[in-house]
Amino acid sequence: DGGITQSPKYLFRKEGQNVTLSCEQNLNHDAMYWYRQDPGQGLRLIYYSQIVNDFQKGDIAEGYSVSREKKESFPLTVTSAQKNPTAFYLCASSTRQIETQYFGPGTRLLVL
Amino acid sequence: EDQVTQSPEALRLQEGESSSLNCSYTVSGLRGLFWYRQDPGKGPEFLFTLYSAGEEKEKERLKATLTKKESFLHITAPKPEDSATYLCAVQAVGGSYIPTFGRGTSLIVHP
Repeated sequence: DGGITQSPKYLFRKEGQNVTLSCEQNLNHDAMYWYRQDPGQGLRLIYYSQIVNDFQKGDIAEGYSVSREKKESFPLTVTSAQKNPTAFYLCASSTRQIETQYFGPGTRLLVL
Repeated sequence: EDQVTQSPEALRLQEGESSSLNCSYTVSGLRGLFWYRQDPGKGPEFLFTLYSAGEEKEKERLKATLTKKESFLHITAPKPEDSATYLCAVQAVGGSYIPTFGRGTSLIVHP
């Protein structure tokens, strides 16, 4: 059963702490993306990757970092430099960058 | 800069009361327009992709249409289970091909 998984569903971050959100896909998609969703706003792109070992900054990359060591995995780290991290984080993938994106179930990040 | 505006922000319907959601867009050249459904606390679920003016696609009670400036998502005889936020995104030709998303329309269908 192919799809995109994100974990955890809920994540709590303490002040000054880095946290990592997991995103895995078994759709054999080349491109993967990370979005942030805040209430009343559209999806905002954090980072995206077209191929393994390569990624580009999106519109709101400051305070975030990613890696793409495997085709199936695109983890997102929310660093302590991100001062307002509370949001719903969505991972997506597509066969190629020009094709339709498919989304995971999301991770809600909350600050303690 | 690509822009996507969805209206209304929120819509309340009675079960069986048909209506339409609007997605207006401004892009230098449209490659594709996407509609997604998002339930509370979940990721968006893909509904349709439209590529050219005049194109229409249907799925159950939903029909999406496209003109050169906007897209409509028509909901015929909605049921309470159609309640969700509907997102529209446009993909421009050239550049990074990253879609630009609208803020969504929150639909509530009352029984």
